[in-house]
Amino acid sequence: ETGVTQSPTHLIKTRGQQVTLRCSSQSGHNTVSWYQQALGQGPQFIFQYYREEENGRGNFPPRFSGLQFPNYSSELNVNALELDDSALYLCASSLDGRAKNIQYFGAGTRLSVL
Amino acid sequence: DQQVKQNSPSLSVQEGRISILNCDYTNSMFDYFLWYKKYPAEGPTFLISISSIKDKNEDGRFTVFLNKSAKHLSLHIVPSQPGDSAVYFCAAKVSGGSYIPTFGRGTSLIVHP
Repeated sequence: ETGVTQSPTHLIKTRGQQVTLRCSSQSGHNTVSWYQQALGQGPQFIFQYYREEENGRGNFPPRFSGLQFPNYSSELNVNALELDDSALYLCASSLDGRAKNIQYFGAGTRLSVL
Repeated sequence: DQQVKQNSPSLSVQEGRISILNCDYTNSMFDYFLWYKKYPAEGPTFLISISSIKDKNEDGRFTVFLNKSAKHLSLHIVPSQPGDSAVYFCAAKVSGGSYIPTFGRGTSLIVHP
């Protein structure tokens, strides 16, 4: 067990709705990254937060947004849900954003958009 | 455009034999490579890594080999055990950049008793 917890584990939404996913980082970690893993694909980087500031963003539209809180927990918000947003959303925390720091992943939130 | 490619979606191996999982990359800026293992209903867990200044890194039954000229790395598991059955992801980073790993699509390893 990594100490990274995500909630909820499963979620069903309809197209056009908004969703908030939550992540609690491993103790002592100040960096959190969010990934989208579609079926049959590897995790795709959405964005990273370091000490409450966005520290990098992948190729995702602005309707994907995030927050990191002073306790380093984090949220991923997705507005105007589309069918293609159906995926496993993974959160990963690390000591900081440096290359050799290992990322510890949560078990993910499975989002289904109908 | 996939910068990290795992061309074998699945691999089946007998218990006790060697498992070899392969990964190719196209971005010559990548200089740090990782392997993650993922069981169903769990997140990926870090397995082993290698820096581009090395061509081999070993940790128990797991060895990663890096061939920079071929832009190829492989993960060897010897001997394979049924508990190794999982999806294995190769990931690559540019250490001087944003440190964000780029993942391959994964290879599903099944180790038969």
